Amino acid sequence: GAVVSQHPSWVICKSGTSVKIECRSLDFQATTMFWYRQFPKQSLMLMATSNEGSKATYEQGVEKDKFLINHASLTLSTLTVTSAHPEDSSFYICSARGVEQFFGPGTRLTVL
Amino acid sequence: AQKITQTQPGMFVQEKEAVTLDCTYDTSDPSYGLFWYKQPSSGEMIFLIYQGSYDQQNATEGRYSLNFQKARKSANLVISASQLGDSAMYFCAMGPRVRGGGADGLTFGKGTHLIIQP
Repeated sequence: GAVVSQHPSWVICKSGTSVKIECRSLDFQATTMFWYRQFPKQSLMLMATSNEGSKATYEQGVEKDKFLINHASLTLSTLTVTSAHPEDSSFYICSARGVEQFFGPGTRLTVL
Repeated sequence: AQKITQTQPGMFVQEKEAVTLDCTYDTSDPSYGLFWYKQPSSGEMIFLIYQGSYDQQNATEGRYSLNFQKARKSANLVISASQLGDSAMYFCAMGPRVRGGGADGLTFGKGTHLIIQP
């Protein structure tokens, strides 16, 4: 089946730094990718929709200046958490739309 | 707006028994899709089964079946002959009727933590 990868799988950073997370569709082209956030023991919450070649669409309450999304090609979307703070610590999961919506393995971000 | 409700935070089931995980939904869209995902402790989201709102028959995928009752707005997941490896979080989700999803992401329920006991 189709595979979506994420890199890195986990990252620890200091407060105030920026972190970039990559989401790749490995064997299919994805015009649309989605970014979700999952806090411990909670559900996945859609953060934004990433469209190739155009601006991302953010869900209500998600700061677009803090969570920068770039979808530069049909196989790659990146999420940059700018000036990360401890409250941004979470599990970030991307998905890519193909025959089904395939999810990446997730990135665990810990901000100290 | 779409809403998914999973009322069972956790369940304990004996191995080899069948288990039903509840899911109810609310939407004003006549066209929608319902999904179930499994999330083991590793965190990956594993697609299990899909049901379109216009599908006449309940979806089945191996040991998984979806009990779709449209009038009641419920989409319960049934796992037959449970196995120890079924222990995980299970999420019900709603999205566009296209199985791969349309331009919109999925709305997830809070999940059910299923533990299979030997």
